[in-house]
Amino acid sequence: AQRVTQPEKLLSVFKGAPVELKCNYSYSGSPELFWYVQYSRQRLQLLLRHISRESIKGFTADLNKGETSFHLKKPFAQEEDSAMYYCALTGRGSTLGRLYFGRGTQLTVWP
Amino acid sequence: NAGVTQTPKFQVLKTGQSMTLQCAQDMNHEYMSWYRQDPGMGLRLIHYSVGAGITDQGEVPNGYNVSRSTTEDFPLRLLSAAPSQTSVYFCASSYSHDNPSSSGNTIYFGEGSWLTVV
Repeated sequence: AQRVTQPEKLLSVFKGAPVELKCNYSYSGSPELFWYVQYSRQRLQLLLRHISRESIKGFTADLNKGETSFHLKKPFAQEEDSAMYYCALTGRGSTLGRLYFGRGTQLTVWP
Repeated sequence: NAGVTQTPKFQVLKTGQSMTLQCAQDMNHEYMSWYRQDPGMGLRLIHYSVGAGITDQGEVPNGYNVSRSTTEDFPLRLLSAAPSQTSVYFCASSYSHDNPSSSGNTIYFGEGSWLTVV
């Protein structure tokens, strides 16, 4: 069965500190992993997807198939990074866009 | 470049009333879906559609109906609103994975509809 786990409901760091948002998953096929960000009362925006291997707003995420993890990292957090972050999973070539979400991590970056 | 458009943005209903949340996309996406977002629960799939005339249930379909008469529109109907349906609703759309012009499995979300049932 597919499952996405974000173990931290809340995460607080100070500006300039490194930040890591954890995401673990279980999926029987070949997954595609995403990170979505939601700023206060706004729509979800795609932050990263593992197949593109991009760095957006200083964030990176590496898919570790051995540990079934897709942790989101940023070396120096900024106040504007404060938001809700969702890890999500879909199947390649099977569920055609159906996303399974984790419960989200609320990141607060203090000045 | 409208993307995914949801209406209304805010709505207050009385228990037992019915209403329809509208969702439209102008990207010719085959796949459309509705999620509800609740604190501590993340986003949960209500219903989805892989093309016009085809719909299926997600994780939490009870109390909701959908239809997909056109590629562009995917309305969500609450038949008899209950306080447990107080939530934020998001519509989403994407290409099917086999579309050669697809930019991967990127899914686009609407701005959300805040629904309160009293």
